Amino acid sequence: EIVVTQSPGTLSLSPGERATFSCRASQTISSNHLAWYQQKPGQAPRLLIHGASSRATGIPDRFIGSGSGTDFTLTISRLEPEDFAMFYCQQYADSPITFGQGTRLEIK
Amino acid sequence: QVHLVQSGAEVMRPGASVKVSCKASGYTFSSYAIHWMRQAPGQGLEWMGWINADNDNTRYSPKFQGRVTISRDTSAITGYMELSSLRSEDTAVYYCARGSCAGCWLVDYWGQGTLVTVSS
Repeated sequence: EIVVTQSPGTLSLSPGERATFSCRASQTISSNHLAWYQQKPGQAPRLLIHGASSRATGIPDRFIGSGSGTDFTLTISRLEPEDFAMFYCQQYADSPITFGQGTRLEIK
Repeated sequence: QVHLVQSGAEVMRPGASVKVSCKASGYTFSSYAIHWMRQAPGQGLEWMGWINADNDNTRYSPKFQGRVTISRDTSAITGYMELSSLRSEDTAVYYCARGSCAGCWLVDYWGQGTLVTVSS
């Protein structure tokens, strides 16, 4: 099983600032099959990024995914008030599909 | 517009089985896989398994193998997840989600979730 580890656990930032989330896998994720999801309280997750760097339909261009191999990054270039939530990375290269434990983005 | 509407909350006794449904609309149900995940209170996301729309093959996480059954009824445009031998640790919100193609492991749209509470 591919173990996916996210850091930091919590990110405290202000609107307008840049947010950077890290996701590290225990082994190489083939074909960069790495996705990022945003989840707000009481809601289902929403797909942001797939294939490590491709934005899902309707996702603003301030959300930027990068990385390859075992190290991946999600950057939000300029935080909007609606961006504050939990963020999860997920590898879908190998079964079982696995998620990171999440990073909470909170308002400073 | 893709929608996945799940069945309502359930309260179950330990040892029982629960079956959660997931009705699709806004796309051709027979052409896309269905995955199931769960999220325990205050915890992260956990993948349980999926059903391939090309051949109805299923694959389960080793953690749930032997306890979970995923199925679908294309005529009813509905997917199902049944979990047996329930214990208190199975208390969670259960989500269905659409695979981005018939045999895809990337999930793109999610249902609203179904809370299953296991309590004596």
